[in-house]
Amino acid sequence: NAGVTQTPKFQVLKTGQSMTLQCAQDMNHNSMYWYRQDPGMGLRLIYYSASEGTTDKGEVPNGYNVSRLNKREFSLRLESAAPSQTSVYFCASSEGTGAYEKLFFGSGTQLSVL
Amino acid sequence: GDSVTQMEGPVTLSEEAFLTINCTYTATGYPSLFWYVQYPGEGLQLLLKATKADDKGSNKGFEATYRKETTSFHLEKGSVQVSDSAVYFCALRLMEYGNKLVFGAGTILRVKS
Repeated sequence: NAGVTQTPKFQVLKTGQSMTLQCAQDMNHNSMYWYRQDPGMGLRLIYYSASEGTTDKGEVPNGYNVSRLNKREFSLRLESAAPSQTSVYFCASSEGTGAYEKLFFGSGTQLSVL
Repeated sequence: GDSVTQMEGPVTLSEEAFLTINCTYTATGYPSLFWYVQYPGEGLQLLLKATKADDKGSNKGFEATYRKETTSFHLEKGSVQVSDSAVYFCALRLMEYGNKLVFGAGTILRVKS
């Protein structure tokens, strides 16, 4: 019963390097999300995918790209990492995007950009 | 804009003490309201929710009532345990951005035995 699985758990990058955060869910959910968590700011939405084949920007999309590879997988790419992208990243999924939907979260990726 | 404000932490309590974590919101329309909990090293989990005014959400001894008149959704528990130590996030759900969740900054709760 894996739920939402994120890899890697920890990553250290140098400024300008690129990397992709992977996320997969095994609950047959339609919608998937990427959030970043910063101290004192709660979680902020980076990108979301309401359904397979669609992606849309959230509150803080600059510096990121996403790919909804299939219904299960939703990856987040940093093309040229910056220190401001040091954060904890959470992937989440839900059955749909209705107002009462419950989100299921992965355990997070702690990213440091030096 | 739409936002959620939570009381700052950390909140430190002794076991069996009464807990209140305040949450107020600003939103256009009538959002759904949620409390999520994050245990150390884990992702967030839904704790409880309320979808309309005067609804009371409850789970694991925690309760929160949707108060439209005071735009509040305070979290309460009558007797906390050490295992309740976690970060608690109040959130509201908006139609914008695909019904995204807007989170408060989170409140750290530490319960001592």
